[in-house]
Amino acid sequence: QKEVEQNSGPLSVPEGAIASLNCTYSDRVSQSFFWYRQYSGKSPELIMSIYSNGDKEDGRFTAQLNKASQYVSLLIRDSQPSDSATYLCAGPRRDKIIFGKGTRLHILP
Amino acid sequence: DVKVTQSSRYLVKRTGEKVFLECVQDMDHENMFWYRQDPGLGLRLIYFSYDVKMKEKGDIPEGYSVSREKKERFSLILESASTNQTSMYLCASIPSLLVYNEQFFGPGTRLTVL
Repeated sequence: QKEVEQNSGPLSVPEGAIASLNCTYSDRVSQSFFWYRQYSGKSPELIMSIYSNGDKEDGRFTAQLNKASQYVSLLIRDSQPSDSATYLCAGPRRDKIIFGKGTRLHILP
Repeated sequence: DVKVTQSSRYLVKRTGEKVFLECVQDMDHENMFWYRQDPGLGLRLIYFSYDVKMKEKGDIPEGYSVSREKKERFSLILESASTNQTSMYLCASIPSLLVYNEQFFGPGTRLTVL
């Protein structure tokens, strides 16, 4: 199993709907996670971090961590066209941060 | 606000040239990283540094070297550029690996090697 895995997409979601992005991780990754958003041609920017089991909400974003299933997700409520981007899941492993390859999200107007 | 800057947004070089990519951060971060990002391959770690004059190989160090003479500056060097090094290069920094935290990324340098 790769250390951090994501479906590459694209994931197409109608405007106003909930977008659900998922990430699985291996035992080698420490159990705190980050979600980055990356617009085309730009560098990644952090949008959510989660360190403990359960849900963490910030505005329209909710991160969910399930340590038993080694699964972390990002929910985007009331999706907007400006949410169209690639979303990267990342977790620390010893002296590095391991990134997934990213999921492309496309919000349909 | 943490700021990570990179010397160029776009760079065009010829095969065989020596290329320097500079990264500077202004928040006294200990750890700095160089990645390249290619479609379908995601972010791949080239080198990182956890202190001045210290460097560690990442996942794809071949064809690259680095220099960290000052805490705020981390340079990536392509000794003899090749076309397969055409890519987006991203620098990042983090305060300390003792407390896992977000990485702050620079704006990126899109390098084209002809």
